[in-house]
Amino acid sequence: GAGVSQSPSNKVTEKGKDVELRCDPISGHTALYWYRQSLGQGLEFLIYFQGNSAPDKSGLPSDRFSAERTGGSVSTLTIQRTQQEDSAVYLCASSLNTQETQYFGPGTRLLVL
Amino acid sequence: AQSVTQLDSHVSVSEGTPVLLRCNYSSSYSPSLFWYVQHPNKGLQLLLKYTSAATLVKGINGFEAEFKKSETSFHLTKPSAHMSDAAEYFCVVSDRTTDSWGKLQFGAGTQVVVTP
Repeated sequence: GAGVSQSPSNKVTEKGKDVELRCDPISGHTALYWYRQSLGQGLEFLIYFQGNSAPDKSGLPSDRFSAERTGGSVSTLTIQRTQQEDSAVYLCASSLNTQETQYFGPGTRLLVL
Repeated sequence: AQSVTQLDSHVSVSEGTPVLLRCNYSSSYSPSLFWYVQHPNKGLQLLLKYTSAATLVKGINGFEAEFKKSETSFHLTKPSAHMSDAAEYFCVVSDRTTDSWGKLQFGAGTQVVVTP
């Protein structure tokens, strides 16, 4: 079956612009996660959604970062007023619930010039 | 609090020889532990996971890992390396508590090079 998909695969933007990254989870998965992979920080948790519960935003690095999940399926991660340190690969994962294995998408590579 | 330390940033092995990737973890609770692999320009793929059943866990592609609570270790092994094993490997921990479910804590990664 289809895995987790993310779009775009690559994004180049200018400092100060806003960007939106999209994640389509595996059908039927109620939990969705965002992670960031950067050279300096490695792989770090950002936020997760579980069903209709309030999202756990404890990993978001600043208030410029936000995410939403509409209809319990697709999620969008938004970065406002991008900075060069936001350059990284943004990974999305989904799982049946938070206690089950997370399956990762291919990531969106973001470059902020 | 949970954390994970991968003891080697790079490992180089010859094809056909054993692979050992070392991982130590810290967890306030009974953890779940995972190994993920990332091939160049590919997504993360789960190799295996430990969730409190058998301490010796077998995964895909001939990999296995042993959970040793007394040593707080979860080392990954494979008896015979293949060229296709060249990739980056991540040891991952998750506390099985209400606040930590789903929050994977990744190690820094071990880059594996396989030479002919």
